[in-house]
Amino acid sequence: SQKIEQNSEALNIQEGKTATLTCNYTNYSPAYLQWYRQDPGRGPVFLLLIRENEKEKRKERLKVTFDTTLKQSLFHITASQPADSATYLCAPASGSSASKIIFGSGTRLSIRP
Amino acid sequence: ETGVTQSPTHLIKTRGQQVTLRCSSQSGHNTVSWYQQALGQGPQFIFQYYREEENGRGNFPPRFSGLQFPNYSSELNVNALELDDSALYLCASTLSQGHYGYTFGSGTRLTVV
Repeated sequence: SQKIEQNSEALNIQEGKTATLTCNYTNYSPAYLQWYRQDPGRGPVFLLLIRENEKEKRKERLKVTFDTTLKQSLFHITASQPADSATYLCAPASGSSASKIIFGSGTRLSIRP
Repeated sequence: ETGVTQSPTHLIKTRGQQVTLRCSSQSGHNTVSWYQQALGQGPQFIFQYYREEENGRGNFPPRFSGLQFPNYSSELNVNALELDDSALYLCASTLSQGHYGYTFGSGTRLTVV
């Protein structure tokens, strides 16, 4: 069955450093992959989408890579700030007409001042 | 644009009862997905509606059903509630089946006692 794995342990990073979160998937080949941020008690917020023919995508301090050979995506936050503290969810999707996105369990990121 | 609105925000039901959760999609979005999120877990896909037709379903029993209306608003119905149905229920809307990211509501917190 399709499986998504994210860092199960919380990630604690010093402010100003780069945070790197990992997403590995097995048993399928997503046409694109999305990353979301979720704060406690709130719905996820869409951050970035990267397609299978794109190796890297950037948005302000965020960078996402997508390696379809390794079946892995990396999510980087540069110059991290305490306000970046949240849970980050990886969501690969199929490209079919019945597309659905499947979420990983998320990685909790904590940026300490 | 107004975003995704869900109602109610909180709900307490008794085991065996039925519940209806409502979602108003973001203006212009024709695709709605529903997710169940248990504490500490990623959102689990229940089903997706595209132009009023169900076009994808996750691993949930038939007592979970839904509707999408001509204005693209949606309902999630759960019959014969079980204690394990206690969770945050999230509605997400998008244009063109998710190729541009999903907009999530803040969710309905359902507690079954």
